[in-house]
Amino acid sequence: SQTIHQWPATLVQPVGSPLSLECTVEGTSNPNLYWYRQAAGRGLQLLFYSVGIGQISSEVPQNLSASRPQDRQFILSSKKLLLSDSGFYLCAWGRNNSPLHFGNGTRLTVT
Amino acid sequence: AQSVTQLDSHVSVSEGTPVLLRCNYSSSYSPSLFWYVQHPNKGLQLLLKYTSAATLVKGINGFEAEFKKSETSFHLTKPSAHMSDAAEYFCVVRKGSYNTDKLIFGTGTRLQVFP
Repeated sequence: SQTIHQWPATLVQPVGSPLSLECTVEGTSNPNLYWYRQAAGRGLQLLFYSVGIGQISSEVPQNLSASRPQDRQFILSSKKLLLSDSGFYLCAWGRNNSPLHFGNGTRLTVT
Repeated sequence: AQSVTQLDSHVSVSEGTPVLLRCNYSSSYSPSLFWYVQHPNKGLQLLLKYTSAATLVKGINGFEAEFKKSETSFHLTKPSAHMSDAAEYFCVVRKGSYNTDKLIFGTGTRLQVFP
């Protein structure tokens, strides 16, 4: 069966520090991969999606970037964090015409 | 363009009473609709999905939703609430373009269940 792993579960980082969140998927190949952010009291906002290795599409302009160095690995990064980057980050995988499957998320607090 | 509107940000019910979480959608073609649940500090779990088959969709944990095209609604219901149902619920529509599965989320409804 397919599983999705996200780490770390929680992270506290100072303003201006770099960020790297990792997501890996097991049990499937060539998935569509997604990064979502959930700000406090708000719905989920799609940040990035990828349909293949090295293929990244950004949905909103921001301080973050994403990369897909391997088929089942999706990384969310920042060179310098802002206070506004705080939130709950969720990775998800899917295939056309199927629901998305989400990881357990990373709670990021920028201080 | 597709969108979903969750009509209530908070819903409170007593244990054992019915649950109704309301969602209206907007779509220029036949939509794919979902309900997801999120427990505190957890990822999202799929409750049920509608993909143009039966209009009454049964999901996990006793939840179901009815697709009503005339009302552009996809409300989530459960006959009898349980304490473990307390969570945030998201109504979702798939945006759908070639080779992607982008989802558009509603703003969520927080369900509280009182003993």
